[in-house]
Amino acid sequence: DVKVTQSSRYLVKRTGEKVFLECVQDMDHENMFWYRQDPGLGLRLIYFSYDVKMKEKGDIPEGYSVSREKKERFSLILESASTNQTSMYLCASSPGTGENSPLHFGNGTRLTVT
Amino acid sequence: SQKIEQNSEALNIQEGKTATLTCNYTNYSPAYLQWYRQDPGRGPVFLLLIRENEKEKRKERLKVTFDTTLKQSLFHITASQPADSATYLCALDQSGGGATNKLIFGTGTLLAVQP
Repeated sequence: DVKVTQSSRYLVKRTGEKVFLECVQDMDHENMFWYRQDPGLGLRLIYFSYDVKMKEKGDIPEGYSVSREKKERFSLILESASTNQTSMYLCASSPGTGENSPLHFGNGTRLTVT
Repeated sequence: SQKIEQNSEALNIQEGKTATLTCNYTNYSPAYLQWYRQDPGRGPVFLLLIRENEKEKRKERLKVTFDTTLKQSLFHITASQPADSATYLCALDQSGGGATNKLIFGTGTLLAVQP
């Protein structure tokens, strides 16, 4: 089974801090994604990557950046955390694109910014 | 832009009955549509995919239908069990053609199966 591991389940940070959320997948998947999930808004795509050192903006990239130095690891960076970034963050991976490549999600990091 | 609508109200049903969840999309018909299950405090887990040229897809007690005329997919769980209680999300590829894996998700419907 594919395993997508997010390093922290819960995180509490202060406004203005730089925050790193780490995600590692163990199945040599090409693609990795970061979503945030908020009540009433569902999952929204922040950034994604189709290859090492490659990144593309999703639907809500403002206030975030990402890093993919190795194929298995995709990091989400909050440059200066704000209270409106309090959310559940979900990392996902897929072997490719198209119908044979559903997303495999980690169990999320619940981030609170105070 | 494409939007997905799922009933935000929780669906409460009795054990043994069939649960039916609805997913409507507003714009282009996607090449395929996916359904995921999410348990509290966990990430979504992929369940089923149905292509636009398929009317129906089954997997054990699960059945999904896809009506491109109505722009709707229905997700059925037959002989429901309390263990089926979870939030169910539908998703489709933003590109329409399914080539990107940039998925749009609905907000999900919470299913509660009472023993």
